Amino acid sequence: GPKVLQIPSHQIIDMGQMVTLNCDPVSNHLYFYWYKQILGQQMEFLVNFYNGKVMEKSKLFKDQFSVERPDGSYFTLKIQPTALEDSAVYFCASSSLLGGYEQYFGPGTRLTVL
Amino acid sequence: AQSVTQPDARVTVSEGASLQLRCKYSYFGTPYLFWYVQYPRQGLQLLLKYYPGDPVVQGVNGFEAEFSKSNSSFHLRKASVHWSDWAVYFCAALSGSFNKLTFGAGTRLAVCP
Repeated sequence: GPKVLQIPSHQIIDMGQMVTLNCDPVSNHLYFYWYKQILGQQMEFLVNFYNGKVMEKSKLFKDQFSVERPDGSYFTLKIQPTALEDSAVYFCASSSLLGGYEQYFGPGTRLTVL
Repeated sequence: AQSVTQPDARVTVSEGASLQLRCKYSYFGTPYLFWYVQYPRQGLQLLLKYYPGDPVVQGVNGFEAEFSKSNSSFHLRKASVHWSDWAVYFCAALSGSFNKLTFGAGTRLAVCP
């Protein structure tokens, strides 16, 4: 089936540094999402993105977070600066149409902030 | 507020036994509901989806789920569990104008020989 790729699979950084998480969505998909899963807890919506714009974001999407997808390349989540509470697994997802509903998820990037 | 509740954090069944994982939703309007499975150190994989219509939906690997509006439920079932079904199962509901998924806390399924 369709695959969403995420790079890297694991990232360890010091608190206060910047980190960029990369997502390669399904090729013909137009809607992109980030979700956050703290170890042992449920997955929570962060943000969705369409046509170069953030459409909706949750309270977890702090001011230090930003997303972009320049010229059809990776869909990225940037955190600057990072905080200890940003340690989690971040999942990227994509879907083809607003009405298509089905989201395809990547394997996640495990972010550890020291 | 819209929410999804999975009341059982852990379920243990014997291989070959039947399975039901519970999911309750609180939703305004017509819900679109999903079951995802997460194997260790992997992302989410879609098991099945409900769009308004037939209340019983079939998924992959012998899973099915039944939507009940009166009970606000979307329970997942399987007639005969296999050891490879050992995973965490998430129920989710689509909400908002832009396809935000709201997840339950997940049910960790263990399969005994």
